[in-house]
Amino acid sequence: EAGVTQFPSHSVIEKGQTVTLRCDPISGHDNLYWYRRVMGKEIKFLLHFVKESKQDESGMPNNRFLAERTGGTYSTLKVQPAELEDSGVYFCASSLSETQYFGPGTRLLVL
Amino acid sequence: AQSVTQLGSHVSVSEGALVLLRCNYSSSVPPYLFWYVQYPNQGLQLLLKYTSAATLVKGINGFEAEFKKSETSFHLTKPSAHMSDAAEYFCAVSEHTGNQFYFGTGTSLTVIP
Repeated sequence: EAGVTQFPSHSVIEKGQTVTLRCDPISGHDNLYWYRRVMGKEIKFLLHFVKESKQDESGMPNNRFLAERTGGTYSTLKVQPAELEDSGVYFCASSLSETQYFGPGTRLLVL
Repeated sequence: AQSVTQLGSHVSVSEGALVLLRCNYSSSVPPYLFWYVQYPNQGLQLLLKYTSAATLVKGINGFEAEFKKSETSFHLTKPSAHMSDAAEYFCAVSEHTGNQFYFGTGTSLTVIP
């Protein structure tokens, strides 16, 4: 069974540009989560989808971040416009129950 | 909100020595507790989890952790370290199924030959 996949693995952009991250969850997992780790700090929750609906988006930093999960399958996280402080590793996870399975992450560097 | 504390951002042990990575949480309700490991250039891999069954939980690669409610702790141990255990380890807590995870800041484990 394929795990959670994320694309791209790395992204380097300039401040003010737009970046879109993609996450493909494990097939059949209704729950999809986005997390972010800023260098040296803890992994922090961004938001949670149940199927195509946003269940909890309390961790989204501001309105420059937009997450979608059309059709309840893969999800995208768009950052527009990117700022320097958005640099970090963005993780996606999916679950059926209490255990979340994580993807390899997207390393985003904003210059 | 939950708070998860991992004491020691860097831990070094000799090959064959005991590994002890500490995790304390702040929940006032019985939580779900997890340890994940991240090897270089890889994602987070589940090591083990506590979900209100046995308090001593065994995981993959010889790791185990004990849930101690009175100490709000969930420390990770392995009797004998291998070189392949060098990685970053994360403790995570969730209050309910489907809820977000709260993570500690991670502990980087170095194994000295």
